[in-house]
Amino acid sequence: DGGITQSPKYLFRKEGQNVTLSCEQNLNHDAMYWYRQDPGQGLRLIYYSQIVNDFQKGDIAEGYSVSREKKESFPLTVTSAQKNPTAFYLCASIRSRQGASAEAFFGQGTRLTVV
Amino acid sequence: AQSVTQLGSHVSVSEGALVLLRCNYSSSVPPYLFWYVQYPNQGLQLLLKYTSAATLVKGINGFEAEFKKSETSFHLTKPSAHMSDAAEYFCAVSDDTGRRALTFGSGTRLQVQP
Repeated sequence: DGGITQSPKYLFRKEGQNVTLSCEQNLNHDAMYWYRQDPGQGLRLIYYSQIVNDFQKGDIAEGYSVSREKKESFPLTVTSAQKNPTAFYLCASIRSRQGASAEAFFGQGTRLTVV
Repeated sequence: AQSVTQLGSHVSVSEGALVLLRCNYSSSVPPYLFWYVQYPNQGLQLLLKYTSAATLVKGINGFEAEFKKSETSFHLTKPSAHMSDAAEYFCAVSDDTGRRALTFGSGTRLQVQP
């Protein structure tokens, strides 16, 4: 079955560490997105990529970095510069050719906790 | 910039009662609107979407939503709540800046009482 796989499901980070969250899709979608979810705040866009080897900052990119070396993969690194990284992180993809009406498909999320 | 506002962070209904979750949008262009559902520690699943083809949109699990331009609303309804409907619901609007990302409301947690 096609879909988006995020790993790990739970991740614990010590203060000052960088951690990388994995996102892999086999939907053949061009566009991929990372969102951060905090209680009572909905989802906020961190980074997005519409084609391989290109990505753009979203609304809350500070303290995060991404890469897009393959169409299927869009890993997110939470750096030590992110002051409040504890959150639920969701990866999504969209089929580009469908335009703005295209629905987003989501992974199951990674819950990151700073210990 | 486009935005959505969800009125009521928590809604509680009895099993079998009407479900009404409210969403108002702000957009300078005709919007594409979506409702997603999220179960605890899960990703989001699309319930339905409005793309201007019809103002009354039917989705999965018996949910539907009506687009009302005059009220800038896209409220989600279900005639009879089921225990399995307990979840968090998000209204979203498609970004008009070329990013094609979604801008989400803050969510409404639906509780269904037996």
